[in-house]
Amino acid sequence: GESVGLHLPTLSVQEGDNSIINCAYSNSASDYFIWYKQESGKGPQFIIDIRSNMDKRQGQRVTVLLNKTVKHLSLQIAATQPGDSAVYFCAEKMGGGSEKLVFGKGTKLTVNP
Amino acid sequence: DTGVSQDPRHKITKRGQNVTFRCDPISEHNRLYWYRQTLGQGPEFLTYFQNEAQLEKSRLLSDRFSAERPKGSFSTLEIQRTEQGDSAMYLCAGRKGELTDTQYFGPGTRLTVL
Repeated sequence: GESVGLHLPTLSVQEGDNSIINCAYSNSASDYFIWYKQESGKGPQFIIDIRSNMDKRQGQRVTVLLNKTVKHLSLQIAATQPGDSAVYFCAEKMGGGSEKLVFGKGTKLTVNP
Repeated sequence: DTGVSQDPRHKITKRGQNVTFRCDPISEHNRLYWYRQTLGQGPEFLTYFQNEAQLEKSRLLSDRFSAERPKGSFSTLEIQRTEQGDSAMYLCAGRKGELTDTQYFGPGTRLTVL
């Protein structure tokens, strides 16, 4: 069925540490994946995305890794800062002409000073 | 700031009333999406427009829900005969043309049905 899941619902890290947020997806035909950050009361904020023909993509302090063999997606945040505290969602675009993003339930990241 | 605005930001209504929300994307967003998000969950897709054409609708979009994008710019989402289960955050997202799949979200409209 359609589902994008998470390995951990919450993650707590110390300021300055690296964070890794994981996501499992179920549809091997999905052709696009994206990570969003959502702070309380706000809309999701785009972080980074990756197409299915790539394994890795880097942004500023963030890296997304895609493992299509095991249908796994991860978001790495380097030198995590208190401002990174939020809920992080992964989402997949199912392909096959569908435009919708299917979201996971989210991981709440807490950065301790 | 994504440039996507939504109005109102908050709406409280009584069960059975009709409500309408508005989304204003930036002019480059020829594609527009509506999602619904309940507490503790990820957003769920409702519907999608390319310009003024509504090209995809979710099974979640019951006959009480209708969305329009009459001129291919702003969009409205109307819920008729609201139910308590309609209480959620309603999110709008825009996407620029063919070169990117990135959907940029607005701040959302929080609906509370009493």
